[in-house]
Amino acid sequence: DTAVSQTPKYLVTQMGNDKSIKCEQNLGHDTMYWYKQDSKKFLKIMFSYNNKELIINETVPNRFSPKSPDKAHLNLHINSLELGDSAVYFCASSPPGTGSYNEQFFGPGTRLTVL
Amino acid sequence: AQSVAQPEDQVNVAEGNPLTVKCTYSVSGNPYLFWYVQYPNRGLQFLLKYITGDNLVKGSYGFEAEFNKSQTSFHLKKPSALVSDSALYFCAVTGAGSYQLTFGKGTKLSVIP
Repeated sequence: DTAVSQTPKYLVTQMGNDKSIKCEQNLGHDTMYWYKQDSKKFLKIMFSYNNKELIINETVPNRFSPKSPDKAHLNLHINSLELGDSAVYFCASSPPGTGSYNEQFFGPGTRLTVL
Repeated sequence: AQSVAQPEDQVNVAEGNPLTVKCTYSVSGNPYLFWYVQYPNRGLQFLLKYITGDNLVKGSYGFEAEFNKSQTSFHLKKPSALVSDSALYFCAVTGAGSYQLTFGKGTKLSVIP
């Protein structure tokens, strides 16, 4: 059973389009995250939700909007896609309790290519 | 602000030799430190963490890391490298009560047969 799953795995789209990436975890975790990994493999936090409440909202364009319908799901919607949005997007989750000392479990990633 | 430095972009080691991947950190208060590994076209996998207690932490696949508070370091080690250890390794830090994990830029480990 996949612990943290993302769909789609690959996403190729044109500039200006709107797209969504879905994430689901079956680990019973309370906290979920979205990360962006650029072409140099640098990993940066974008958003985090704890019990459906937004707790981390880094400086990202407001074209990016996370949505957490329930604790097991965290989706990422991107409006008006730009070339610079091309990257691998990772979803992650961590167990209940104080966030600091809990390791995060990562999904397989979604490779977004904007043409 | 918290930060992580991984000074080496790439580390090459012969199979069977010991390996070290370096990491230094900066954070307010006590650090919580993590190592993750990323294989090609895969997500990150947790290796080990330091929260408190013994400075030598043991983790998955025979890896260990040593926390050194005075040097603000958390180097990853393994006594005998395997070709299958070849991957990208990330060090990460956070502070008490924070959900925000800050990653280093990664170190590519190549184990040569």
